[in-house]
Amino acid sequence: KNQVEQSPQSLIILEGKNCTLQCNYTVSPFSNLRWYKQDTGRGPVSLTIMTFSENTKSNGRYTATLDADTKQSSLHITASQLSDSASYICVVSADAGNMLTFGGGTRLMVKP
Amino acid sequence: DVKVTQSSRYLVKRTGEKVFLECVQDMDHENMFWYRQDPGLGLRLIYFSYDVKMKEKGDIPEGYSVSREKKERFSLILESASTNQTSMYLCASSSLPNYGYTFGSGTRLTVV
Repeated sequence: KNQVEQSPQSLIILEGKNCTLQCNYTVSPFSNLRWYKQDTGRGPVSLTIMTFSENTKSNGRYTATLDADTKQSSLHITASQLSDSASYICVVSADAGNMLTFGGGTRLMVKP
Repeated sequence: DVKVTQSSRYLVKRTGEKVFLECVQDMDHENMFWYRQDPGLGLRLIYFSYDVKMKEKGDIPEGYSVSREKKERFSLILESASTNQTSMYLCASSSLPNYGYTFGSGTRLTVV
């Protein structure tokens, strides 16, 4: 069964600090992995997407990594800001059909 | 940028009412999806559509139906709303299977 596990479930950090969110998956055959940011009460917004051949991708202060061998991804946030407070969802696509497998998300709170 | 527009941000309906949730995308995407998002359960796929007048059941289709008469519009219908359908509903679209999903802002439906 395809699964995506994210850790931690929630995280509180101080403004200006860095943090790393983890995503482990068992989706097969792997097609691509996306990180989404979801503000409270809003739809998810894509941050990065990586295919099998990519192991790092950046979007401003967000850097995603992918290790296809260990089936792990991480999202690193540098110099956090209050506006980074949100849920971050890891989504993995299989290379067959049209289904996505969603992680449960990490709820990040950045405090001043 | 692709835009996916959901007609209502918030809705309150009574038990037994027929409810229509509308979703429109402006990028000529073939694929459209309806998800619901609940705390602790993440995003779950209700229905999706590959093309006009085509629909496929997702993981939790019971109590829902969909309509896709035009390529840009995908409607979710609750035939007889129940309190357990209180949730955040998210519409998404994509041009290619498993790639390029864009979500709408979501509709928070409360059934009383």
